[in-house]
Amino acid sequence: KAGVTQTPRYLIKTRGQQVTLSCSPISGHRSVSWYQQTPGQGLQFLFEYFSETQRNKGNFPGRFSGRQFSNSRSEMNVSTLELGDSALYLCASSQGSFYEQYFGPGTRLTVT
Amino acid sequence: QKEVEQDPGPLSVPEGAIVSLNCTYSNSAFQYFMWYRQYSRKGPELLMYTYSSGNKEDGRFTAQVDKSSKYISLFIRDSQPSDSATYLCAMSGNSGGSNYKLTFGKGTLLTVNP
Repeated sequence: KAGVTQTPRYLIKTRGQQVTLSCSPISGHRSVSWYQQTPGQGLQFLFEYFSETQRNKGNFPGRFSGRQFSNSRSEMNVSTLELGDSALYLCASSQGSFYEQYFGPGTRLTVT
Repeated sequence: QKEVEQDPGPLSVPEGAIVSLNCTYSNSAFQYFMWYRQYSRKGPELLMYTYSSGNKEDGRFTAQVDKSSKYISLFIRDSQPSDSATYLCAMSGNSGGSNYKLTFGKGTLLTVNP
């Protein structure tokens, strides 16, 4: 089975721009979660989608949004980018057990 | 006080040593405890999970949870250079769908020297 894939792997954007990141979960997995990883804050939960519905949300501003499609693929969008948004964005999928989440390799976003 | 505290290290040990990695937490609602391993430039990989208190063993890895002390540990026996990675603890409560909101420690960087 193919693992979780994320595109693009690397991205450089300018402050004020917006960005869309994509995640394809493992086949058959219906839950997709997004995390932000930075050296200062570590891994922080952004949100989780299940069957196209946002089921859980972390403590991030409204500039961070996401969606899930009927095939379970998910996208996250960050609008009005700030320098502090530079991070590794990780996507994780799960078949049904929240404690068994499988992570993708992440998208490294750099905001200049 | 952060919900989950983890010593960032770095921790350097010789091959074959027993490694002890720890996290403390403050949220009594946490019931599920996970350990992830993250190699450089990779996403985290689930090693083990435990529910409530007690021990769980899987090969060279043993996870322990002491809910009375709000303290969890991961032991690695006969450590190998391939174990060199960042180890992250993660926790979740027990309230239905919100379990998917994992709270992570910042990770401990481990190097096993041949």
